[in-house]
Amino acid sequence: DGGITQSPKYLFRKEGQNVTLSCEQNLNHDAMYWYRQDPGQGLRLIYYSQIVNDFQKGDIAEGYSVSREKKESFPLTVTSAQKNPTAFYLCASSRGTDTNFGPGTRLLVL
Amino acid sequence: GDSVTQMEGPVTLSEEAFLTINCTYTATGYPSLFWYVQYPGEGLQLLLKATKADDKGSNKGFEATYRKETTSFHLEKGSVQVSDSAVYFCAPGYQKVTFGIGTKLQVIP
Repeated sequence: DGGITQSPKYLFRKEGQNVTLSCEQNLNHDAMYWYRQDPGQGLRLIYYSQIVNDFQKGDIAEGYSVSREKKESFPLTVTSAQKNPTAFYLCASSRGTDTNFGPGTRLLVL
Repeated sequence: GDSVTQMEGPVTLSEEAFLTINCTYTATGYPSLFWYVQYPGEGLQLLLKATKADDKGSNKGFEATYRKETTSFHLEKGSVQVSDSAVYFCAPGYQKVTFGIGTKLQVIP
């Protein structure tokens, strides 16, 4: 079955540490996205990529970085510059009007 | 850019009640319109969509009609169940979907 996988399901970050969230899709979608969701709030776009080796900042890109070396993969790094990283992170991919979401990664700060 | 205004929740209904969640959008051109549902601790799932004016999207008893004249895409269901308890997101978009704040629905037996 095609879909999006995100790993890990839970991730713990220590102060000053960079962590990377994985997102892989086998849907052959060109576009991929990272969203952040805080408790009781909607989704805010962090970064998106319409094509391999290209990506754009979303609304809240500060403290995050991404890469898009392969069509299937769009990892998100939460850097130490992100002072409030605790949130639920959702990866998505799309082709045309069809958008699929991964199951999410919950990031917690120790 | 595209934006969306969605009614704030939480919305609490008794089982078998009628549901309406309002959604209005602003966008350049004529975007596709989507409703997504998020169950606790999970990612978003597409509930229904409409790609042009006057289209009606439907799924699992939920319906929404693309109203270009009022730029709205209100979600309705005639008889909600406890299992419908979730957060519902309205979203317009072309290639980059914009999300509303989400409306939490609680259905009590």
